[in-house]
Amino acid sequence: DTGVSQDPRHKITKRGQNVTFRCDPISEHNRLYWYRQTLGQGPEFLTYFQNEAQLEKSRLLSDRFSAERPKGSFSTLEIQRTEQGDSAMYLCASSGTRGVETQYFGPGTRLLVL
Amino acid sequence: QKEVEQNSGPLSVPEGAIASLNCTYSDRVSQSFFWYRQYSGKSPELIMSIYSNGDKEDGRFTAQLNKASQYVSLLIRDSQPSDSATYLCAEQTGANNLFFGTGTRLTVIP
Repeated sequence: DTGVSQDPRHKITKRGQNVTFRCDPISEHNRLYWYRQTLGQGPEFLTYFQNEAQLEKSRLLSDRFSAERPKGSFSTLEIQRTEQGDSAMYLCASSGTRGVETQYFGPGTRLLVL
Repeated sequence: QKEVEQNSGPLSVPEGAIASLNCTYSDRVSQSFFWYRQYSGKSPELIMSIYSNGDKEDGRFTAQLNKASQYVSLLIRDSQPSDSATYLCAEQTGANNLFFGTGTRLTVIP
């Protein structure tokens, strides 16, 4: 399977703990995006990378959130001091850079903060 | 403030009928639009993209874009029970990220 992969698929944590999610994009894609989706809503943009450069961050990305893509391949999203409001599906997508490129989504990581 | 508006539904159609899903957007600068299908508990998967005014057909799916009216639609012909899902409309901004509507839940009744 050469699609976008995410790990873990599910995470249950206690409030106040730190969690880290990983995304591996489609191999030839150099743009990588993180979104968050809560029940009944569409995905909301969090941040995006072109290669290793983080080019945009949403105001939704509070200082408890940090994302990295150190070698321009896989990316990690860390949430520090989790809160119950962080419970959501965290989606990663990737695309190429030739003009308008379609974003392809991974299976997501479902986070539950107790 | 960008807005992408969709009727949340649920929209119910009988098997074999045409399902019509609608979306309006507020940003006149937006150029690219996408329809994604999302099954319950799964991630979005691309159905169609459309960039130019008019219709674009792909199998049983037709996307329609009217930039003057800021309106995008998706028609599904010969609807099947497997089409039952939430359909997300998204616009792509100049910054490349997608801005999604809340989705329309479609149920196709056998």
